Amino acid sequence: SQQGEEDPQALSIQEGENATMNCSYKTSINNLQWYRQNSGRGLVHLILIRSNEREKHSGRLRVTLDTSKKSSSLLITASRAADTASYFCATDRGFHRLVFGAGTILRVKS
Amino acid sequence: EADIYQTPRYLVIGTGKKITLECSQTMGHDKMYWYQQDPGMELHLIHYSYGVNSTEKGDLSSESTVSRIRTEHFPLTLESARPSHTSQYLCASRVSPEETQYFGPGTRLLVL
Repeated sequence: SQQGEEDPQALSIQEGENATMNCSYKTSINNLQWYRQNSGRGLVHLILIRSNEREKHSGRLRVTLDTSKKSSSLLITASRAADTASYFCATDRGFHRLVFGAGTILRVKS
Repeated sequence: EADIYQTPRYLVIGTGKKITLECSQTMGHDKMYWYQQDPGMELHLIHYSYGVNSTEKGDLSSESTVSRIRTEHFPLTLESARPSHTSQYLCASRVSPEETQYFGPGTRLLVL
């Protein structure tokens, strides 16, 4: 991977359960972003966390960032079938460019 | 939904053909990007532009070329397509100083 790893590679849960995805990266960053991609579509921005932030919330999403461990996690609470998608973390190291991880495929069963 | 468009959405062509993938955005964004993504894999940046008449190669070497003559338009061209070019191509844009990128729906290219 260009920048780091995401785990798990795939996750299957029941509707209503929480889903946690992790992202690790290799270099210092300005911010870290999470995107969602529905099958065969473009990416949609979910949330951005800056390097000086530790936790951020947006609706059912909670993102944490640990710069000492170079890792981030995305928690989706009370998952729905519509949350089924691939989730990518992307790091912004400056220079106005993002580096994407390999993604986690989330399947929410109803 | 972001106002960024890509055409065609799907393209099947033979080896050796010249193709142009179109990307347009109506948001007035200065920065635009092209990514290549194989199924189930990460995105790789192949080209980007900071503004009109500015183009740079990305992290992944690509035989494609791009141009940025107008702010809203960032086409990608393959002079001679090969089966190894089979992939999904995603276009994105952003406006300084915001850091979020907005993506088009992608073009799925199959070269036979």
